[in-house]
Amino acid sequence: AQKITQTQPGMFVQEKEAVTLDCTYDTSDPSYGLFWYKQPSSGEMIFLIYQGSYDQQNATEGRYSLNFQKARKSANLVISASQLGDSAMYFCAMRDFQGGKLIFGQGTELSVKP
Amino acid sequence: KAGVTQTPRYLIKTRGQQVTLSCSPISGHRSVSWYQQTPGQGLQFLFEYFSETQRNKGNFPGRFSGRQFSNSRSEMNVSTLELGDSALYLCASSSGGTANTEAFFGQGTRLTVV
Repeated sequence: AQKITQTQPGMFVQEKEAVTLDCTYDTSDPSYGLFWYKQPSSGEMIFLIYQGSYDQQNATEGRYSLNFQKARKSANLVISASQLGDSAMYFCAMRDFQGGKLIFGQGTELSVKP
Repeated sequence: KAGVTQTPRYLIKTRGQQVTLSCSPISGHRSVSWYQQTPGQGLQFLFEYFSETQRNKGNFPGRFSGRQFSNSRSEMNVSTLELGDSALYLCASSSGGTANTEAFFGQGTRLTVV
């Protein structure tokens, strides 16, 4: 069965520093997609970054990058130069080759300190 | 272009009543999926519709149902509401719903059952 594991329920980071949020996944499908979402207290789920299982390079979107290690089945999110507005819940998710369904981890609550 | 629109944003219902939530996907997107988010269970997949057909279904009782119209707008219905149905309901919009397509979420509908 497919599964996403986020082992850090909460994390603190100093403003302007980098932070890594961990995500490991389990699937037997060769084709899958990995996603990271940010959910502020308002509830909206904001798409951050995507990595496909066949992508050779790690995905990058502005201050967000995804450290994809396929052999280890990990897809860690790296946020560089943290800002106060980055304080939120962060969810790692996976979608299999059939598409449609997203499987989410339990989330990591990130707090950025001034 | 416009994002994913969910209506209403907030809803208070009484046990035993039924409720209908609406989701308008991004223009051109044909896949709409629904998720329930609660503090205890996290984000759980309800169902996914693609071109008016239900393609995937999660492990929820038959009280939860949905449909998709020809313009890709989707509705989900919950009948005979229970206190445990109180949750944030999120819908996601994708162009194709395959593993390598991004999914964008609406702001959610926060349902409270009293």
